[in-house]
Amino acid sequence: QKEVEQNSGPLSVPEGAIASLNCTYSDRGSQSFFWYRQYSGKSPELIMSIYSNGDKEDGRFTAQLNKASQYVSLLIRDSQPSDSATYLCAVTTMMRDSSYKLIFGSGTRLLVRP
Amino acid sequence: DVKVTQSSRYLVKRTGEKVFLECVQDMDHENMFWYRQDPGLGLRLIYFSYDVKMKEKGDIPEGYSVSREKKERFSLILESASTNQTSMYLCASSLDSYEQYFGPGTRLTVT
Repeated sequence: QKEVEQNSGPLSVPEGAIASLNCTYSDRGSQSFFWYRQYSGKSPELIMSIYSNGDKEDGRFTAQLNKASQYVSLLIRDSQPSDSATYLCAVTTMMRDSSYKLIFGSGTRLLVRP
Repeated sequence: DVKVTQSSRYLVKRTGEKVFLECVQDMDHENMFWYRQDPGLGLRLIYFSYDVKMKEKGDIPEGYSVSREKKERFSLILESASTNQTSMYLCASSLDSYEQYFGPGTRLTVT
């Protein structure tokens, strides 16, 4: 069973700090990696995608990918209370018919303290 | 912006009832997905479809069926609802299999 692992948290950081969220995955063939943000009672919202090793920055968000270590992370700079949410890591995995599906981690709850 | 809508935000049904959950996307996406989300279990794929009239089983298809008669619409059917199907149901669509965009979700309670 191919898996995506995340620490459930909560990860508590003070306002203005950097929040670091981590994710490991088991399928070495995974090619695409995503971070979704989910507020309580709401549906997941895609915030970052990354496809190659290294860093990808978008505003206050930076996604980092290390395929050799099977590790993907999300950094949130200058954290705001509005960033308090559950962050889901999602990874593509190939199915028997060579199509792909997403495997989701269970999410890390982030709490940003004012 | 991608817009995915679901027919109901909240739904309460009785055990044994047939339940229809509808999902519509307006971006001409080929691919549509149904997930359920439960505390501690994360998002689990029920069924997906890569084309009209095409369907594939996901990880937990038992007790569910789907219908895709038009490209923009993907329906999830609970033939005979049971209490263990109480959950948040999420529909998603994507142009390819990768970047999926979710609807607002339907919180279904089966009593």
